[in-house]
Amino acid sequence: NAGVTQTPKFQVLKTGQSMTLQCAQDMNHEYMSWYRQDPGMGLRLIHYSVGAGITDQGEVPNGYNVSRSTTEDFPLRLLSAAPSQTSVYFCASSLPGQGHEQYFGPGTRLTVT
Amino acid sequence: KNEVEQSPQNLTAQEGEFITINCSYSVGISALHWLQQHPGGGIVSLFMLSSGKKKHGRLIATINIQEKHSSLHITASHPRDSAVYICAVRKTSGSRLTFGEGTQLTVNP
Repeated sequence: NAGVTQTPKFQVLKTGQSMTLQCAQDMNHEYMSWYRQDPGMGLRLIHYSVGAGITDQGEVPNGYNVSRSTTEDFPLRLLSAAPSQTSVYFCASSLPGQGHEQYFGPGTRLTVT
Repeated sequence: KNEVEQSPQNLTAQEGEFITINCSYSVGISALHWLQQHPGGGIVSLFMLSSGKKKHGRLIATINIQEKHSSLHITASHPRDSAVYICAVRKTSGSRLTFGEGTQLTVNP
């Protein structure tokens, strides 16, 4: 099992550019989430999904879109990057039957200039 | 005020010391998670508990539901324990996690 994988590991964007952060898991987990981690603020939920075809907003969804066409993949799209989106992004997955124990991807460090 | 508060924010210890990190929360929960984030950035789940106490090696996690408080203890600390320890709670009403800001632990040899 690869667990949760994320690509890319690092990315630099200019303001206004768009891009997609990829996340995939091979554990057949129903729940997948995207978080951002900023200094002094802890992890904050951007969007989450409870299964293929179902997504919902978290605490800080503005400027991001998600879709969940398969159980395995949960990409995060930045529509028009802004410097405020400079952060480290983590994807995580879990299974309700396992008490939602969280499995995290390695993270993507994004800088927007 | 954050729904999940951790203390201390930073902790420096000497190798071999007994360490305690605290987590207090202000909402009803169905579970509490302790996570570890190493300097390389990866996050791993250490414990998930809804009552009592769990032990894994030198790590012990306890929770007191009535007092809305959990502690993470590390016995015989080692420099490789240096990491950020994060407390997160799952509210009774949903599946989402709410995170504390983390405790930066440094264990010196």
